[in-house]
Amino acid sequence: NAGVTQTPKFQVLKTGQSMTLQCAQDMNHNSMYWYRQDPGMGLRLIYYSASEGTTDKGEVPNGYNVSRLNKREFSLRLESAAPSQTSVYFCASSDTGQGLYGYTFGSGTRLTVV
Amino acid sequence: AQSVAQPEDQVNVAEGNPLTVKCTYSVSGNPYLFWYVQYPNRGLQFLLKYITGDNLVKGSYGFEAEFNKSQTSFHLKKPSALVSDSALYFCAVTSGGSYIPTFGRGTSLIVHP
Repeated sequence: NAGVTQTPKFQVLKTGQSMTLQCAQDMNHNSMYWYRQDPGMGLRLIYYSASEGTTDKGEVPNGYNVSRLNKREFSLRLESAAPSQTSVYFCASSDTGQGLYGYTFGSGTRLTVV
Repeated sequence: AQSVAQPEDQVNVAEGNPLTVKCTYSVSGNPYLFWYVQYPNRGLQFLLKYITGDNLVKGSYGFEAEFNKSQTSFHLKKPSALVSDSALYFCAVTSGGSYIPTFGRGTSLIVHP
């Protein structure tokens, strides 16, 4: 089915380890986003990419880096994981920056840092 | 700056009764408003949107929302709740000058049999 695919679905890291969360969309969307979801905090934007070749910081970018590899793929990297990064991470995409036709979300990556 | 408020962490309703999940917003310029639903261990799913036009917007699964510009609100409604409607609901807003959607903190809807 068309949509946004995230890998992995679950991950446990030790403090200080690094990892990359992968995201790919097959809807030819221009814009892609990474959010984290924490209880009582809703969704907070980490980074976004308005179009291929551009990336910008969101509300909570510290400790993360991103790469817009091509139009389809947008990865999120944790260079040195910390327990505060334990969260559920969602990738999303939209046809335009304003998402006039809505945003499509992946099913999430549940990350635990111990 | 844009913001969204969902004043209720949880809404409880009996099956068959009407439901309302509240959302208020603040933006510069014209708002683009959205509702999303999240079922356990799933990503968010698009329900409906207001971009322009009629203030009453109809969406998926029998949900609708009313845009009220004077009250800066966009409440989600359904005439008759189902147990299967139990989920987490998010309101979101963007505006003409922003690429970044801002989400509310979410409201947990619990529909009792």
